[in-house]
Amino acid sequence: QKEVEQDPGPLSVPEGAIVSLNCTYSNSAFQYFMWYRQYSRKGPELLMYTYSSGNKEDGRFTAQVDKSSKYISLFIRDSQPSDSATYLCAMRAYSGGGADGLTFGKGTHLIIQP
Amino acid sequence: GAGVSQSPRYKVAKRGQDVALRCDPISGHVSLFWYQQALGQGPEFLTYFQNEAQLDKSGLPSDRFFAERPEGSVSTLKIQRTQQEDSAVYLCASSLAGLSYNEQFFGPGTRLTVL
Repeated sequence: QKEVEQDPGPLSVPEGAIVSLNCTYSNSAFQYFMWYRQYSRKGPELLMYTYSSGNKEDGRFTAQVDKSSKYISLFIRDSQPSDSATYLCAMRAYSGGGADGLTFGKGTHLIIQP
Repeated sequence: GAGVSQSPRYKVAKRGQDVALRCDPISGHVSLFWYQQALGQGPEFLTYFQNEAQLDKSGLPSDRFFAERPEGSVSTLKIQRTQQEDSAVYLCASSLAGLSYNEQFFGPGTRLTVL
């Protein structure tokens, strides 16, 4: 079993729908939780990050972390065709000694139909 | 300001050849990371530098993989005697240093195909 599990999809929804993406993880040491968006043949770009549990909202995007269930979610409201991309969840522990490599999920391929 | 740049963007190698992939991080970023992203998978951590010091190389898959950052800026990932299973996109990321969270900014990657 991988440390981070994410359904690869594809997930296809009509324009304007609410999209729900999620990941589960097994390492209880993870404390930083991120969502990256990756377009084809591009590098990942950060959408949201959350420290520990809770919710965070930024425009049409909401990130939720439930550490008790080891479950994180990303919601996209009023989805647009330009949101079509692969969404990667990523996590890391806090080492206290500097930066650490991220552990990524497999990525969910999202398609927003016009 | 420019983001993270990587070169070449595409590399085709015959099995057994050595390759060198270059990463130019964002100016002033102390931390530099290399990741490997196989087709249909998420990136997997390879190695991490803080300035010129390689602090973590636990993700390097074999001793054929070697990374360096001699002056604490540009980094090179070298793969010796390439194998077909090395075919992947190699991503470089950089960030500011610090004990708290700092965003990792990714480059566009180098797509390596080993024939």
